[in-house]
Amino acid sequence: TQLLEQSPQFLSIQEGENLTVYCNSSSVFSSLQWYRQEPGEGPVLLVTVVTGGEVKKLKRLTFQFGDARKDSSLHITAAQPGDTGLYLCAGPNTGNQFYFGTGTSLTVIP
Amino acid sequence: GAVVSQHPSRVICKSGTSVKIECRSLDFQATTMFWYRQFPKQSLMLMATSNEGSKATYEQGVEKDKFLINHASLTLSTLTVTSAHPEDSSFYICSARDARAGGDEQYFGPGTRLTVT
Repeated sequence: TQLLEQSPQFLSIQEGENLTVYCNSSSVFSSLQWYRQEPGEGPVLLVTVVTGGEVKKLKRLTFQFGDARKDSSLHITAAQPGDTGLYLCAGPNTGNQFYFGTGTSLTVIP
Repeated sequence: GAVVSQHPSRVICKSGTSVKIECRSLDFQATTMFWYRQFPKQSLMLMATSNEGSKATYEQGVEKDKFLINHASLTLSTLTVTSAHPEDSSFYICSARDARAGGDEQYFGPGTRLTVT
């Protein structure tokens, strides 16, 4: 069961452009994580958001957790080719399972 | 810290054989490990949750007799794909939760590419 829907599913942009990826759910999460995955590798944790309304910044990446803790967004400013990858949000349910969003495949063209 | 390894990184096997994949937490104790499966260009699908010393909890639609999971210690979980078929070819990823940290974060292994011929 996919509890987390991401949009867009695919995104191809030019270097220097800005973009936002959304992660939405009808369920409340105690926390949400964002990962980036490159082909043939495991996901790498970027950030964890815990508090509703929380905003975290990681260089050119800005993460926000919705006030109701049902959604999150990832904004990248001035995208670079090195930002290319699969971006995944993920969160735990009440049963200790950990579910991933549907994923957003980002390609940044030089 | 919080490093998870998987072995092997790639494996090719013939249809009908069994393959074992190991997942180790190298510098922390993991009371819970998770096994995921991923197809190209798609997200990770949770297969099962493995708790040390107890039976794994499988997600709906995952055959427990086909995907055998053992979590015998706080640093090792294994996934055995029994009687593998070409449709089992996939990227298998494990993750581990740091028991001491107490949070929701998981640390992922580098994945194992399984090809069944």
